[in-house]
Amino acid sequence: DAGVIQSPRHEVTEMGQEVTLRCKPISGHDYLFWYRQTMMRGLELLIYFNNNVPIDDSGMPEDRFSAKMPNASFSTLKIQPSEPRDSAVYFCASSFNTDRARSPLHFGNGTRLTVT
Amino acid sequence: AQKITQTQPGMFVQEKEAVTLDCTYDTSDPSYGLFWYKQPSSGEMIFLIYQGSYDQQNATEGRYSLNFQKARKSANLVISASQLGDSAMYFCAMRDKNTGNQFYFGTGTSLTVIP
Repeated sequence: DAGVIQSPRHEVTEMGQEVTLRCKPISGHDYLFWYRQTMMRGLELLIYFNNNVPIDDSGMPEDRFSAKMPNASFSTLKIQPSEPRDSAVYFCASSFNTDRARSPLHFGNGTRLTVT
Repeated sequence: AQKITQTQPGMFVQEKEAVTLDCTYDTSDPSYGLFWYKQPSSGEMIFLIYQGSYDQQNATEGRYSLNFQKARKSANLVISASQLGDSAMYFCAMRDKNTGNQFYFGTGTSLTVIP
C-alpha cells in the first residue's frame, strides 16, 4: 500500500498567489481529512469528507480556503489569495469508517507551505 | 470542552527506562476508539497503538502499551525501555460516532530521551 500521498512536499509562494495542495488517500478509505499544523495552534482540523462529500468545514479559516474531493482518489485544498499567516504544514489523512475495527487515521507526509 | 487532554507539554526519560505519557478524554458515546501517534522531528505522523472502548485488555504493540482506565477516562501511553529514537512529539487522539467520526487530537507531549 502506497499510503496517503501528498504533493507538493514543499511550497514557497508570495503573498497573494494561489496555492493548491493535492492529496491521494489510501484506496478504499471512506474518510479524508485536511489538517493544518503550526507551533502556535497545534494540529487543527480544517475539513473532512465522507465518501467524497464534505461533512464539516467549520475549521476552514475563511473564504480564502476551499477544498474539493471530485472522486474517491483525489482531493485538493486551495488557498486564494495566500497570506503569510497561512504558512504551516498541511496534512491530508484518510481512514475507514468506525465500523471497521482498529481503523486509525493514516497521514500523508504533509506539505510545508511558506508564504512570503 | 476539550475532548482530549494531554497535560504534559514536555517529558524527559533516561535511555532504557520506561515512561508514561498521560491522556484523558471526554465522550458520552459508549463506542469510541483511542489512538496514539508519534511525530519525530522529521514531521511525519506515525500511528502507534489503538484501544477500543469495548476492548477487555489493554493494547500492546511491541514496546508500546496503553494503560486504559475506562472509569477514569484515561488512556496513558507507556513506552518501555526507551531509546534515543523515541524522542518525538506524541499525540493522543479519539474518535467517536457522536461527533461524525472526527478524530480529536490532544496538544501533544514532547518526549526527550536522555542518553
